[in-house]
Amino acid sequence: VQLVQSGAEVKEPGASVKLSCKASGYTFYTYYMNWVRQAPGQGLEWMGIINPSGGSTTYEQRFQGRVTMTRDTSTSTVYMELSSLRYEDTAVYYCARGDCTSTSCYYDSWGQGTLVTVSS
Amino acid sequence: SYVLTQAPSVSVAPRQTARITCGGNNIGSKSVHWYQQRPGQAPVLVVYDDSDRPSGIPGRFSGSNSGNTATLTISRVEAGDEADYYCQVSDTTNDHPVFGGGTKLTVL
Repeated sequence: VQLVQSGAEVKEPGASVKLSCKASGYTFYTYYMNWVRQAPGQGLEWMGIINPSGGSTTYEQRFQGRVTMTRDTSTSTVYMELSSLRYEDTAVYYCARGDCTSTSCYYDSWGQGTLVTVSS
Repeated sequence: SYVLTQAPSVSVAPRQTARITCGGNNIGSKSVHWYQQRPGQAPVLVVYDDSDRPSGIPGRFSGSNSGNTATLTISRVEAGDEADYYCQVSDTTNDHPVFGGGTKLTVL
């Protein structure tokens, strides 16, 4: 299993950023994909999840209205777009494959991370 | 929302046993997962479902969960175990994942 993310981005406040995560080594549509971010020196923060099979999404409430997750099944790639960027959105963004049971999900493979810097 | 509490830091000498705890209300009723994050690297799953290990994770890593505390135990600690460790559960109110604040393990 391999998750390869797009490269670092520098954006101005108010702009949008779209990150990609290309999956390989497994059947793309059989595992949900999550996005987790980590601000400098801080912990892990879950942003949302996409079902690669049907494209349905669930977002953490604090990101509702600013985040959009999509997928391209032809290239086994998921995307995460975050709009109206603020300085506090500066973070490393990870995609993480979710393995779920009936009661819980855990993240068994992670991308290498993409650093997004919001700076004027 | 559900809150997980971890001590900010734990220190242990090489070849000793490190115990990293994760506190939460009745956490024993939930499945707890643990991640290791070395500096500058992505997290790696080291224990899932309280006590199971993914393939490739050494047997020195083990987990337990009861009452209000889950514990990740690392036996015969090595310098390479120095990292941040995060616990994670699913919040049953919305099925969203919740992470603890992380514990920095220092090998003396």
